[in-house]
Amino acid sequence: EVQLLESGGGLVQPGGSLRLSCAASGFTFKNFAMSWVRQAPGKGLEWVSAISDGGGAYYADSVKGRVTISRDNSKKTLYLQMNSLRAEDTAVYYCAKEADGDYVLEYWGQGTLVTVSS
Amino acid sequence: QVVLTQSPSASASLGASVKLTCTLTSGHSGYAIAWHQQQPEKGPRFLMNVNRDGSHSKGDGIPDRFSGSSSGAERYLTVSSLQSEDEADYYCQTWGIDTVVFGGGTKLTVL
Repeated sequence: EVQLLESGGGLVQPGGSLRLSCAASGFTFKNFAMSWVRQAPGKGLEWVSAISDGGGAYYADSVKGRVTISRDNSKKTLYLQMNSLRAEDTAVYYCAKEADGDYVLEYWGQGTLVTVSS
Repeated sequence: QVVLTQSPSASASLGASVKLTCTLTSGHSGYAIAWHQQQPEKGPRFLMNVNRDGSHSKGDGIPDRFSGSSSGAERYLTVSSLQSEDEADYYCQTWGIDTVVFGGGTKLTVL
């Protein structure tokens, strides 16, 4: 059974940093691309970033330059380093496993809440 | 850049059927999409992907009541024999060059 468990969320001041983690199990982590998707309170889903199985990283324009996605295949863990956080980054952050060969997000975690506020 | 358009809301009665629509922007009518369900206070769940020819492939454990189809630039999700737990937000998703795109979502109310 595929499981994705996010952690690392919390309250951070504007301009601060946070690193999110996503522990994966139930599949061969190193073989699949992974994504981060966020959802601001009362809003829809917004793709944030993706990383291929080979380590290539992609970012939404809204976070480019402030966010870094990475993965540790030995630990089966996905990361999202977020810097220079703004109030508009407040959201639940989900990690998702992509299907083999395309960008379908076929499994999702339960999310971790990031609140940016003074 | 591909854009996905969804109606903000839909409603149907318990036991009835409903068809939700996701429209691709002009020039992107050949794209496949995925449908995701998000029940209240829960994370999203992948339902299925729908190809340009209407073929679809469902996720693990998705009931037969959920089906997909396609016509031109429109991709559909049909939910039959509506149950109370089908009341949720439904998002379509596709992908472009180095990017993933979501529609704005449709809030389905089961009457």
